[in-house]
Order: sequence, then C-alpha cells, then structure tokens
Amino acid sequence: GAGVSQSPSNKVTEKGKDVELRCDPISGHTALYWYRQSLGQGLEFLIYFQGNSAPDKSGLPSDRFSAERTGGSVSTLTIQRTQQEDSAVYLCASSSHQNTDTQYFGPGTRLTVL
Amino acid sequence: AQSVAQPEDQVNVAEGNPLTVKCTYSVSGNPYLFWYVQYPNRGLQFLLKYITGDNLVKGSYGFEAEFNKSQTSFHLKKPSALVSDSALYFCAVRDRWYSSASKIIFGSGTRLSIRP
Repeated sequence: GAGVSQSPSNKVTEKGKDVELRCDPISGHTALYWYRQSLGQGLEFLIYFQGNSAPDKSGLPSDRFSAERTGGSVSTLTIQRTQQEDSAVYLCASSSHQNTDTQYFGPGTRLTVL
Repeated sequence: AQSVAQPEDQVNVAEGNPLTVKCTYSVSGNPYLFWYVQYPNRGLQFLLKYITGDNLVKGSYGFEAEFNKSQTSFHLKKPSALVSDSALYFCAVRDRWYSSASKIIFGSGTRLSIRP
C-alpha cells in the first residue's frame, strides 16, 4: 500500500518568508509525527498528533513553528519568518493505533533558507 | 530525562565480516528501544524494537540487537555484513513511564560503510 508522502521534496526560500510543508500519512494511521533532521544531528521531535486528542507541541522550537492536522489525516507544518537555522530535512511519520511504537517515515522535505 | 547516545559517527566494515553499531541509553524507568535505518535518498525504515521478553531481538534484513540492562546498551549487530547495508542507523528510546509515543528520543546516528 501507499506509504507516507511529503511535499514538496525540496524547498528553497528566502529568509523571512513563510513556508508550508505537507504530510500525507498512511491511510488509517491515527498518529502523526513531525521531526527535524539537521546535518550531523539526530532526529529532533517537533510535534505529535494522535486522533482527536490535543497535539503534543512540546518539541516546537519557537512560536514561528505551527502545525495542524485536518480531518485526522493530512498535516501541514508551517514555519513563519524563516531563519537560516531552520534549514534542515523535515520528516513526517505515522503509526497505527494498534502499534504506536512502529513509525513509518516519509521521504522528507529538504528546506533551505537563503 | 531520557537520552540515547551513539558513540560512533562512522563504522567501517569489510563485506562478510560481522558488524556492530553501538547504542547506550538513559531513562528513568524501563525502556522501549528501537533501531531505524536510513538508506541514501530514502526515508527512515523501522528495523527492530525491544519491548519486553528475550534480550536478543531479531529484525529486518538479518539484523539483531541485544538489550543489556546492566550496561544500558542496545547494540545493533549482524553476523555477515553486505555492501547494501551501508546506510545511516539511528537508535531510539522511549521511557515506559510515558504513555505517549511522542516521547521517543533518537540518537545522532551512525553511518555504516561496508567495503566490498
């Protein structure tokens, strides 16, 4: 079946611009996660959605970052007033209710802020 | 607080030789432990996990990992390396005290390079 998809695959933007990154999870997966992978770094947790529960936003690095998940499916990560340090690969993952600990990752969006 | 460490940025192994990728962790309670692999230009893939039971866990592509509570380690191993195993490997941990899967912490990754 289809895996997790993310768009765009690459995004180049200018400092100060807003960007939106999209994630389509595996159909039927109730949990959705956003991570950030900087060069030479591990995965940094950003935000987690589980069903209709309030999202866990504890990993968002600043108030410039926000995310929403519409209809329990597609999610959009928005970064406002981008900074050069926001440059990274943004990864989305989803997991099923029955097996929340096994995450299925998308290919990521590579964001470059000039 | 929970944390995970991968002490080696890179591991180089000849094809056919055994490989080990090291991981140590720190949690308040008992851990859930995971290994993920990231092949070039591809997303992360789940390899294996330890929840409870046997300390030796077998996963995809012939990999296995051994949970060692006394050494707080969860090293990834394979008896005979393949060139196709060359990739970036991430260890991850979750503290069982947390009910949310969001509290999975990933290590910084180890690049495994298998030479023919």
